[in-house]
Amino acid sequence: EDKVVQSPLSLVVHEGDTVTLNCSYEVTNFRSLLWYKQEKKAPTFLFMLTSSGIEKKSGRLSSILDKKELFSILNITATQTGDSAIYLCAAREEKTSYDKVIFGPGTSLSVIP
Amino acid sequence: DAGVTQSPTHLIKTRGQQVTLRCSPKSGHDTVSWYQQALGQGPQFIFQYYEEEERQRGNFPDRFSGHQFPNYSSELNVNALLLGDSALYLCASSLLLMNTEAFFGQGTRLTVV
Repeated sequence: EDKVVQSPLSLVVHEGDTVTLNCSYEVTNFRSLLWYKQEKKAPTFLFMLTSSGIEKKSGRLSSILDKKELFSILNITATQTGDSAIYLCAAREEKTSYDKVIFGPGTSLSVIP
Repeated sequence: DAGVTQSPTHLIKTRGQQVTLRCSPKSGHDTVSWYQQALGQGPQFIFQYYEEEERQRGNFPDRFSGHQFPNYSSELNVNALLLGDSALYLCASSLLLMNTEAFFGQGTRLTVV
């Protein structure tokens, strides 16, 4: 059965710390890996990774995919209280008639001043 | 450009009742996927609609059904509500097989009492 696993499930850090969030996946017909941030209700898109080894960056956030090891990480440097949220990793499965995004359980990040 | 809109935002129903949730996708998107997110968990895929047809379904009972209209909007119907159906129901819109990000609505918080 397709699955996405994230670790840790929760994390508490101080402002200024650097964090690494982990995601592993087992998905047949894998197409891409996505990261979302969920603060209250609607998950908001962070990154989509399709190729191995190519880092994507947006400000203090960066992410990379390893398709051989079926693994991705999300890094956040110089954390701020506004980074407190649930970070969701998802894998897209694609076949000829549909594409389906499978989410992991999320990592709950709390950044304290 | 309106993003994904869902209605209602909150709903309280009694066990055994039926509920209909609605979703309007982002302008230009043709595919709607529905997710159930229980407290403390990641979103679980319910089903995906494209061209007014259910294209893929997750591990949910037949009590969960849906519909997509010619204008791409969609409904999620749940019959014979159980206490365990209490969750945040998220709608995501996308372009089928284009391997782009999916945009989420704010969700409908359903409470079954």
